[in-house]
Amino acid sequence: GEDVEQSLFLSVREGDSSVINCTYTDSSSTYLYWYKQEPGAGLQLLTYIFSNMDMKQDQRLTVLLNKKDKHLSLRIADTQTGDSAIYFCAESENDYKLSFGAGTTVTVRA
Amino acid sequence: GAVVSQHPSWVICKSGTSVKIECRSLDFQATTMFWYRQFPKQSLMLMATSNEGSKATYEQGVEKDKFLINHASLTLSTLTVTSAHPEDSSFYICSARGGGGINNEQFFGPGTRLTVL
Repeated sequence: GEDVEQSLFLSVREGDSSVINCTYTDSSSTYLYWYKQEPGAGLQLLTYIFSNMDMKQDQRLTVLLNKKDKHLSLRIADTQTGDSAIYFCAESENDYKLSFGAGTTVTVRA
Repeated sequence: GAVVSQHPSWVICKSGTSVKIECRSLDFQATTMFWYRQFPKQSLMLMATSNEGSKATYEQGVEKDKFLINHASLTLSTLTVTSAHPEDSSFYICSARGGGGINNEQFFGPGTRLTVL
C-alpha cells in the first residue's frame, strides 16, 4: 500500500508557529489532507490540497506541497493551547480511499 | 460538520467472544462507511468499505469472516469481531460519507477501544 510518514511528536511554545511535515510515496496522489484529532473526538478535516497546487492558506493554516519531493507540510501560525492535538496527514488518488500517516502529537506549552 | 458516533467507546471482552461495534451518522445519510483499525503510534489502516445495502469490500489481508460488516441502513453500519482474540485488541474507527461537504468529505467517529483478555 501507499506509505505516508510523519514525525510522531512536536512541542511548540504558545504564540510560535508550528510546522508539521509529511512525506508520501504514491505519485498518483491527487488529494492531500490534514486532519486534527482531539481527545475523545473523531478525526476532523482541517484542510486539503489538490496535487496541482503548491500552496493553500486558510486563516492560520498554510499547507505547502512539494510534489517533486512528495513532501507536504502544515504550518499553524500563532499556535494556541487549543491547537494541542494529533494531526494526521493523508493522501488519496480518488478522494475515496485514504492512506494515513501515524499522526503527529502536537503539544503547546505556555 | 456532520456527526458520526460510535458505540461503545470502549469494550473489554474475554477471548473467544464476539463483539459488535456500531457506527451511526447522526444528521446525514451515509451511502458509504469505512472501517479502520489503528495500533498505537501507527497509522489508520483501512479494513473495509461498505455501501448501504451491499456487501462490504475488504482490504487485502483482512478476514471477512472474522470482521463481519453490515450496512443495513443509510445511518448505521456495524462491525462484529467474531471469536475475538488478544491480537484483535485495537482502536477501531469508522467514517461515513454521503452528507455533502467538501468533495464528499469523510466524517469520522471517535473510535472504539477494544481490549480482548
